Amino acid sequence: EVQLVQSGAEVKKPGESLKISCKGSGYSFTSYWIGWVRQMPGKGLEWMGIIYPGDSDTRYSPSFQGQVTISADKSISTAYLQWSSLKASDTAMYYCARLWVAAAAGWFDPWGQGTLVTVSS
Amino acid sequence: SYELTQPPSVSVSPGQTARITCSGDALPKQYAYWYQQKPGQAPVLVIYKDSERPSGIPERFSGSSSGTTVTLTISGVQAEDEADYYCQSADSSGTYGVFGGGTKLTVL
Repeated sequence: EVQLVQSGAEVKKPGESLKISCKGSGYSFTSYWIGWVRQMPGKGLEWMGIIYPGDSDTRYSPSFQGQVTISADKSISTAYLQWSSLKASDTAMYYCARLWVAAAAGWFDPWGQGTLVTVSS
Repeated sequence: SYELTQPPSVSVSPGQTARITCSGDALPKQYAYWYQQKPGQAPVLVIYKDSERPSGIPERFSGSSSGTTVTLTISGVQAEDEADYYCQSADSSGTYGVFGGGTKLTVL
């Protein structure tokens, strides 16, 4: 069974750094793109960016370019989403999901359970 | 940047047909996908490549495409179909993806 298991909820202060994770299992981790999706409280889904763990090729939405860093460690089948300096507006649920077919033009299935990030002073 | 437009809400009575549209300039060039999200849960794929249905998704869910608009149709709506629905696609060059704003389906 293909599974993506995300790290637990985080509570951080503005200006702090953070790295959340997404561990894949049940498939060849290096053969599929993985993406990250943001959902702010009470709002819709936002496509953030994707990474191909096989060679670490990364694509970002223009809205998130420079705001976050996506990386992967293929030795432990884990993808990451990282912030260097959090803002209150980063408070959201973050989902990882496996991408099918053509990189940014593909679809997400399955999804991780989500990681809730709360940024508050 | 590229945007997909969905109606904020759609309401139907049980047993009726719900149609949710998604519009975007690049949809003639890029496939669209649909997700269902219930409160407190991760999204679930219900349609891929405009009209393909994943295994395990009921036959009452279908998708279609015409020009710059794609449509998710739910025939014989059931109470359990009440959820938020999102379309997803990519910009015309396939460089990055985008979601529509989401449509809340209410079953009256």
